[in-house]
Amino acid sequence: DAGITQSPRYKITETGRQVTLMCHQTWSHSYMFWYRQDLGHGLRLIYYSAAADITDKGEVPDGYVVSRSKTENFPLTLESATRSQTSVYFCASGETNTGELFFGEGSRLTVL
Amino acid sequence: GQQVMQIPQYQHVQEGEDFTTYCNSSTTLSNIQWYKQRPGGHPVFLIQLVKSGEVKKQKRLTFQFGEAKKNSSLHITATQTTDVGTYFCAFSGDNFNKFYFGSGTKLNVKP
Repeated sequence: DAGITQSPRYKITETGRQVTLMCHQTWSHSYMFWYRQDLGHGLRLIYYSAAADITDKGEVPDGYVVSRSKTENFPLTLESATRSQTSVYFCASGETNTGELFFGEGSRLTVL
Repeated sequence: GQQVMQIPQYQHVQEGEDFTTYCNSSTTLSNIQWYKQRPGGHPVFLIQLVKSGEVKKQKRLTFQFGEAKKNSSLHITATQTTDVGTYFCAFSGDNFNKFYFGSGTKLNVKP
């Protein structure tokens, strides 16, 4: 089925470990985004990508790395996880001139 | 950078009452979007406004974009328990590449 899927949905890790959150979309949307959601902060943009091999920083990029070798995939890596990166992470995609972003179900990450 | 202030942060209403959330910017916005996130769910797009003074309706929901394009509102008439969730405004620059979200208004509806 067409859609946007994130994995894993839940992850518990320890401080200093590397974690990769996966995002896959089947619509061939040009744009993909990563947001984190924390209580009181709404959704904050981490990184976005306008096309394969084109990525750019959002509001809170520090501590995160992204890549986009294929249009359909946009993984987010925390190279050395910290407790402050405990959050719910949402991936989204869209053809942005409509303003409509399609969000995945989210990945809840806990860093101990 | 550009930011929007969304108020109120929380709203508790009795079923059947009206509800309004506001999004205010200190600078002119090119566009504004509204999203709804149900508890435990993900944000779902509701609408986009791009024109000064624009008003759009979706059943009991009315969306407005201010004349100066610095503020927007979402009004729900006669709330229902299905309206429960957090409502976010969002905006992007002229080229629709980055989308920034407000902090959201959490709506609770008592039956």
